[in-house]
Amino acid sequence: DGGITQSPKYLFRKEGQNVTLSCEQNLNHDAMYWYRQDPGQGLRLIYYSQIVNDFQKGDIAEGYSVSREKKESFPLTVTSAQKNPTAFYLCASEDLVYGALHFGNGTRLTVT
Amino acid sequence: DQQVKQNSPSLSVQEGRISILNCDYTNSMFDYFLWYKKYPAEGPTFLISISSIKDKNEDGRFTVFLNKSAKHLSLHIVPSQPGDSAVYFCAASLNTGTASKLTFGTGTRLQVTL
Repeated sequence: DGGITQSPKYLFRKEGQNVTLSCEQNLNHDAMYWYRQDPGQGLRLIYYSQIVNDFQKGDIAEGYSVSREKKESFPLTVTSAQKNPTAFYLCASEDLVYGALHFGNGTRLTVT
Repeated sequence: DQQVKQNSPSLSVQEGRISILNCDYTNSMFDYFLWYKKYPAEGPTFLISISSIKDKNEDGRFTVFLNKSAKHLSLHIVPSQPGDSAVYFCAASLNTGTASKLTFGTGTRLQVTL
């Protein structure tokens, strides 16, 4: 079964700690994305990667970092510099044939 | 500046009736539009899309209408079913060939009642 796997589903961290969210895909998609969803807001793009070893900042990249060492994996690190890290984080990969995103089930991060 | 707006945060429709979800956009350069459906605690799933060269696209119970002059997009679900209860996001894209220029609306929660 092809898809996007995000882990863990829920994550709790203390303020000041960095935390890494995992995203793995077996769809053989080149492009991968990280979005953040907050109540009452649309999905906002944090970072994206269109090819291995390359990534670009999205609209709200401050306080986040990513790596893309393998095609299948696109982990997101929420650093202590991110002022409001508590949110629902969604990873996606892109099907360029149909122009649609395939999303994982998300990670809800709570920082206290 | 919210370039893609879904002005109705929620909508309640009776089972069997038509659900109409609306989306307005401000950037006339958008040329590809998509609808995603999201259940709680899950990621959005792609539902239907439309290119700006068309004004209608149909897939089963789902039809998307595009009115470019009004910069308005709507999703019609006929007939509505309880399983359609979810949050629906519209999204608009600039023709860059990737989702890197995809802008999402804030979502409309659809509740289909029995």
